[in-house]
Amino acid sequence: DSGVTQTPKHLITATGQRVTLRCSPRSGDLSVYWYQQSLDQGLQFLIQYYNGEERAKGNILERFSAQQFPDLHSELNLSSLELGDSALYFCASSLTTTNEKLLFGSGTQLSVL
Amino acid sequence: AQKITQTQPGMFVQEKEAVTLDCTYDTSDPSYGLFWYKQPSSGEMIFLIYQGSYDQQNATEGRYSLNFQKARKSANLVISASQLGDSAMYFCAMRGGGNAGNMLTFGGGTRLMVKP
Repeated sequence: DSGVTQTPKHLITATGQRVTLRCSPRSGDLSVYWYQQSLDQGLQFLIQYYNGEERAKGNILERFSAQQFPDLHSELNLSSLELGDSALYFCASSLTTTNEKLLFGSGTQLSVL
Repeated sequence: AQKITQTQPGMFVQEKEAVTLDCTYDTSDPSYGLFWYKQPSSGEMIFLIYQGSYDQQNATEGRYSLNFQKARKSANLVISASQLGDSAMYFCAMRGGGNAGNMLTFGGGTRLMVKP
């Protein structure tokens, strides 16, 4: 058990649909990060939240949004899905806003058909 | 802009031998951190080792050591006494300072295959 829990593990959907990926950080961690891993783009940082507030934004599309709730879990919403959105989406957490020893979850594999 | 380069797409190593995975980086930040992660076929990302730019000694974690050469901007991972379970993708990543300190930039990865 890595301490960071992501659900679901697998998600298959169709183009144009909307999905929500969920992440529970390791107990005590305040910062949550979302990363996307695709065959053509590799691993890319999407967005970071710290204690409920957005802290940093990377290569996140406007069709994607995220939030962190008071209980510190986070959700990544992907809408108007395209074939190219198929990827492994990782959530990671750390205690502070810097990311030494950042801990990753097992990921959600999204397949858009 | 920060950049991480891993020039070895794939490597073979004999079981029980040592292997070095190359990583070079580019940054203008004086303060940064370098990470190595392992991704087995099951997909999870496993933290291996961390080196800070101001650390005086090379980082070591069990069979993993990081050969940090600051002037050459390289941070190679050395795995000693390879085991079959070391077969996986290995990613080098960098954390920058300032506003870039909140995100990791990853290299393209190296697939390591350990032969029995």
